[in-house]
Amino acid sequence: EAGVAQSPRYKIIEKRQSVAFWCNPISGHATLYWYQQILGQGPKLLIQFQNNGVVDDSQLPKDRFSAERLKGVDSTLKIQPAKLEDSAVYLCASTHTGQGGTGELFFGEGSRLTVL
Amino acid sequence: AQTVTQSQPEMSVQEAETVTLSCTYDTSENNYYLFWYKQPPSRQMILVIRQEAYKQQNATENRFSVNFQKAAKSFSLKISDSQLGDTAMYFCAFMTPNTGNQFYFGTGTSLTVIP
Repeated sequence: EAGVAQSPRYKIIEKRQSVAFWCNPISGHATLYWYQQILGQGPKLLIQFQNNGVVDDSQLPKDRFSAERLKGVDSTLKIQPAKLEDSAVYLCASTHTGQGGTGELFFGEGSRLTVL
Repeated sequence: AQTVTQSQPEMSVQEAETVTLSCTYDTSENNYYLFWYKQPPSRQMILVIRQEAYKQQNATENRFSVNFQKAAKSFSLKISDSQLGDTAMYFCAFMTPNTGNQFYFGTGTSLTVIP
């Protein structure tokens, strides 16, 4: 079974530029999460999707961050314009919420963003 | 409020020894899952062990076991026969299926296994 795929793995941009991250969850996983993880800290939820609907985006800085999951499968997270404090690893994760699901969250390898 | 507290930011253990990582949590939900995740340096976060809150029996996975005290809302992780590959950040988390499968993470414990 293929895991959660993320790209790019690394991205370096200058402040005020834009960047987009892509995530493809495990096949059949209806729930998809984007987390921001700053070095030495725990993951912070940015947005949670259930299929193509948003469940929670209360901590998403909506003036600069946006995310979509139009067809309920893969998802894109965009930052525009980027700030220095956006330097972090952006983790995508998915979980199977239907019958037979274990509740386990599966993570991708992450996209490391450096803003100069 | 749903919170997870890991009070040990850093810990170390000698190779082959046993170490226990602490975690307490707070939730008003009665149905939830508890997890310990491991994140090696610059590597992917992976599940170490999970526990359903309705099960009284503590989960075990090879060298990893938990001490789940539901009334005290405590969920500690014991690593026996520590190995160098256990060096990583460990995150305690819980998920509430009745509130949209939301996950709550602690701030992590950095564990170093000393040869």
